[in-house]
Amino acid sequence: GENVEQHPSTLSVQEGDSAVIKCTYSDSASNYFPWYKQELGKRPQLIIDIRSNVGEKKDQRIAVTLNKTAKHFSLHITETQPEDSAVYFCAASERDSSYKLIFGSGTRLLVRP
Amino acid sequence: AAGVIQSPRHLIKEKRETATLKCYPIPRHDTVYWYQQGPGQDPQFLISFYEKMQSDKGSIPDRFSAQQFSDYHSELNMSSLELGDSALYFCASSRRGDSGGRNIQYFGAGTRLSVL
Repeated sequence: GENVEQHPSTLSVQEGDSAVIKCTYSDSASNYFPWYKQELGKRPQLIIDIRSNVGEKKDQRIAVTLNKTAKHFSLHITETQPEDSAVYFCAASERDSSYKLIFGSGTRLLVRP
Repeated sequence: AAGVIQSPRHLIKEKRETATLKCYPIPRHDTVYWYQQGPGQDPQFLISFYEKMQSDKGSIPDRFSAQQFSDYHSELNMSSLELGDSALYFCASSRRGDSGGRNIQYFGAGTRLSVL
């Protein structure tokens, strides 16, 4: 089955700097890759996603890139703000199955004011 | 907009007791997923239902069972509870074909189960 690895496990940046989180997946059949933000004790919330037929997607300060050949995708956050502090999870899903999400282990992002 | 509703929000049980968690998906959503999230861990897929039929099964113990009812709400039944079952249980719902085929999953607020 699918296995998703995520790095780094923790990331501390100064406010205004950029943050990059990287994930790799194992199953070439996976074709949908969402990123979720989770604050302590709260629900995961979708912040951006990308399908396998797209190489890059951007939404204001957040962007995601996908390299299908290398089976890795990354989350880029620019101009970080203290409210960006949270745990970020990448995930992979296969459209031709049940669409279940296989999550990475998470990255705890701390944005220092 | 209506979101995924889970009840109860918190549940405290003793070992070997049973628990029932409920999930009410977003209206018109046809798929429900259950995930278990231990402290400091990522959500782990348990089971899913599409149009009231089980569509996939993950790392769900045999002590757990689930179903989706005619009104699309779902229940996760947990028996012979163990200390290790203490976790956050999330339900997510989606609608196939929505959002350009991305099948976006929206999560409920979760049920925090504590087994003492």
